[in-house]
Amino acid sequence: AQSVTQPDIHITVSEGASLELRCNYSYGATPYLFWYVQSPGQGLQLLLKYFSGDTLVQGIKGFEAEFKRSQSSFNLRKPSVHWSDAAEYFCAVGLMDSSYKLIFGSGTRLLVRP
Amino acid sequence: EAGVTQSPTHLIKTRGQQVTLRCSPISGHTSVYWYQQALGLGLQFLLWYDEGEERNRGNFPPRFSGRQFPNYSSELNVNALELEDSALYLCASSYGRGNTEAFFGQGTRLTVV
Repeated sequence: AQSVTQPDIHITVSEGASLELRCNYSYGATPYLFWYVQSPGQGLQLLLKYFSGDTLVQGIKGFEAEFKRSQSSFNLRKPSVHWSDAAEYFCAVGLMDSSYKLIFGSGTRLLVRP
Repeated sequence: EAGVTQSPTHLIKTRGQQVTLRCSPISGHTSVYWYQQALGLGLQFLLWYDEGEERNRGNFPPRFSGRQFPNYSSELNVNALELEDSALYLCASSYGRGNTEAFFGQGTRLTVV
């Protein structure tokens, strides 16, 4: 069965420090991969996506993610975190079967220390 | 360009009542998805509509239903509300079937008391 694992429930980093949020997936075919961010009480905003091609993808707000097929991972990175990055981050796999739905991980809540 | 819009933003209902949530997709998008984000349960797929037809539904009881109109807007109906239906309901749209790049609205916060 398809699944997405985000092993870190919470991560705390200092402002200006680098960030890496982990995501592992289980899917039999070539995945479509996404990272979304959710601020408290808000909807989801798409940060970046991977469909094919270059395994390092750039997104909005200075985020990037790297697809590693051998590790079934799609980790999100940012070189220098800003206080406004504090939010919950969701990794998702887009299914290309007849459902075309997204399977989400459980999310990682990012806290930023001043 | 307007994003996905949902209404209302918040509502409170009593157990046993019925509720209708509304979603307008991004212009040009024909697929609408509904997700439930309940505390502790994460984001769960509810329903997918494309070109006016229900194409797929998640593991939810039949009292969760909906429809998509000719202008591609959508309604989610929940009958016989239960306390555990309290959640943020998120609507997303995408351009055409087979495109899983979905854009989400701000959600409707439903509280059942």
